[in-house]
Amino acid sequence: GAVVSQHPSRVICKSGTSVKIECRSLDFQATTMFWYRQFPKQSLMLMATSNEGSKATYEQGVEKDKFLINHASLTLSTLTVTSAHPEDSSFYICSARDRRSSEGNQPQHFGDGTRLSIL
Amino acid sequence: RKEVEQDPGPFNVPEGATVAFNCTYSNSASQSFFWYRQDCRKEPKLLMSVYSSGNEDGRFTAQLNRASQYISLLIRDSKLSDSATYLCVVIYTGGFKTIFGAGTRLFVKA
Repeated sequence: GAVVSQHPSRVICKSGTSVKIECRSLDFQATTMFWYRQFPKQSLMLMATSNEGSKATYEQGVEKDKFLINHASLTLSTLTVTSAHPEDSSFYICSARDRRSSEGNQPQHFGDGTRLSIL
Repeated sequence: RKEVEQDPGPFNVPEGATVAFNCTYSNSASQSFFWYRQDCRKEPKLLMSVYSSGNEDGRFTAQLNRASQYISLLIRDSKLSDSATYLCVVIYTGGFKTIFGAGTRLFVKA
C-alpha cells in the first residue's frame, strides 16, 4: 500500500520551456503533498507543501511564481517549473502523507522522482 | 546548528560487518522518527520507524534516545545491497513539519 506515482520520470528540454510534473497518490488520499528538490550529492530540500484546495506553502528562497503548485484533488498535486533554465536542472521528488494520519506523525511516501535537465 | 544532523560518512565496510549510524535532533518537540534509505539517483524509501523501545527488522535495529535526542540505526551482517545513503527523518509535533537529515553514505565491499 501507500503508493505514490510521479510522472514524468525524465525530462530533457530547452531553456525557456515550462515543465509540469504530476504526483499522484494511488491507493490513499493525501490532504498534503510535499515537493522536494535534490541536487547531486546533496540532501533533499523541501520546496513547498501542497495543500488540497488551498494555496501551497513555500519554503524560504523558493519563488512561488517560478514553481507553480496546484493540488486540485486529494490524489493529485502538480508542480510546474515555469520558463525553466539550466540552473533548474535537478531531481524533483514529491511525497504524500495519508490523510488518515490525523496527528501528522506518519511517514511520507515518495514518488519515483523526476530528473529534469534543461539544455 | 542543523535541526537534524548526521555524519555524512562515507562508511566503508566489508561484507558481514556490523555498522551503526547516529543522528541527533535539536528540537525536543519532535514526535516521530524514521530511517529512510536512498539509492543513487532514486527516491527515498522508508526503511523503518524508530521507537524508544527499539525496533528490529531482520538485520536492522533502530533505537531512539529521547533524553539525549538522538536516534541510531544498526545494520548487522552487512550485504553489498545495503550500500546506499541512509536518511534520518524527524517529524515535529503540531506543525507536522518533517525534517530530513543530509544522509549517511554507506559502501559495503566484497
